[in-house]
Amino acid sequence: EVQLVESGGGLVQPGRSLRLSCTGSGFIFGDYAMSWVRQAPGKGLEWVAFIRRNAFGGTTEYAASVKGRFTISRDDYKGVAYMQMNSLTAEDTAVYFCTRVGDGYAIFLPDYWGQGTLVSVSS
Amino acid sequence: QSALTQPPSASGSPGQSVTISCTGTSSDIGAYNSVSWYQQHPDKAPKLMIFDVTKRPSGVPNRFSGSKSGNTASLTVSGLQAEDEADYYCCSYAGSNSFWVFGGGTKLTVL
Repeated sequence: EVQLVESGGGLVQPGRSLRLSCTGSGFIFGDYAMSWVRQAPGKGLEWVAFIRRNAFGGTTEYAASVKGRFTISRDDYKGVAYMQMNSLTAEDTAVYFCTRVGDGYAIFLPDYWGQGTLVSVSS
Repeated sequence: QSALTQPPSASGSPGQSVTISCTGTSSDIGAYNSVSWYQQHPDKAPKLMIFDVTKRPSGVPNRFSGSKSGNTASLTVSGLQAEDEADYYCCSYAGSNSFWVFGGGTKLTVL
């Protein structure tokens, strides 16, 4: 069974940093791209970041709202994806979901999701 | 404001059918046959219910179906059951700059 478990969320002051982790199991972690999607309170979902599998260079992509502040990375030996979040603002307050990105579709898409971890940015 | 527009709520009685719409643009839904739908129960992980506009992952009941016309996609739930009560989100690929765009979600209530 595919499982994704996020951790690292919490309350942080504006301007500070936080690192989220996502531990995957039930699949060969290195065979998949990974992404992060967030959901602000009472709002819809927003794609945040994407990392290709290392066989495709492990390159990354970011939403304009976080580019230059957030960094997605991966450790395939540990089966973990990370997101380093710097210069946080109140607008970053959200539940952050880790997703596996499947490629057995017309176009790759997030096919499995974790339950999310809450990040609250407030003084 | 979400990139894709969904009605905030929908409802139906057990056994009935309900259709949820999702409106985008010619840059997302209209451009790609890559519309997906996710079901989310409270405090649970979103679950993929429909991909590639009309296809169902293994294990998803055939009561769930998807379609698309122009810039609008739809999810139909037939033979409503109590366990179908959840939030539903549409998603479309939107190109290499935006990757995926999502709807604001529709809360489906089974009366």
